[in-house]
Amino acid sequence: EVQLVESGGGLVQPGGSLRLSCAVSGFSFSGYWMHWIRQAPGKGLVWVSRVNVDGSNPIYADSVKGRFTISRDNAKNTVYLQMNSLRAEDTAVYYCAREYCSPTSCKGADYWGQGTLVTVSS
Amino acid sequence: QSALTQPPSVSGSPGQSVTISCTGTSTDVGSYNRVSWYQQPPGTAPKLIIFEVSDRPSGVPDRFSGSKSGNTASLTISGLQAEDEADYYCSLYTSSTALLFGGGTKLTVL
Repeated sequence: EVQLVESGGGLVQPGGSLRLSCAVSGFSFSGYWMHWIRQAPGKGLVWVSRVNVDGSNPIYADSVKGRFTISRDNAKNTVYLQMNSLRAEDTAVYYCAREYCSPTSCKGADYWGQGTLVTVSS
Repeated sequence: QSALTQPPSVSGSPGQSVTISCTGTSTDVGSYNRVSWYQQPPGTAPKLIIFEVSDRPSGVPDRFSGSKSGNTASLTISGLQAEDEADYYCSLYTSSTALLFGGGTKLTVL
């Protein structure tokens, strides 16, 4: 059974840091791109970042560029999101999701975790 | 990063069909076929229902279909059922390989 389990969320003060983890099981982790996507309370989905299969060429949304870092450990079947200089507007449920991409196509984010809540507040 | 525009809400009665639009520009929706659609019932994680404009993952009913014309992608749900009530989001890869989501559409089954 495919599973993605996020952890590491919580309450943090503005300017603080958190590291989210997403541990996966039930599939060949090293064959999939991994995304972080967030959803502020009552709002829509916002893509945050993605990393390709070997951890190279991470891509970020403009709103988090320079503050967040995505990485992965294929030996531990885990993807991470290091979040620094957090702001109130970063408050959201953060989801990790997997996506299979070949050189010519991507198949959509077909499995998502349950999400972890990050609250940035003093 | 550009925006993908969806109607905030749509509604339909059981058995009817509804279509949700996702409008971009000639440089995103109009240029790329990596359009996906996600369904998110209240309090749950999103679920992929369409990828690459019109393909369905296994297990997704064929009542869900996707298409694209010009700068607008569309999701059509036919034979509407009560369980289809959810938020729906389109997404697209841009030329920079960043991912964009539309603002979401709330589907109400009357």
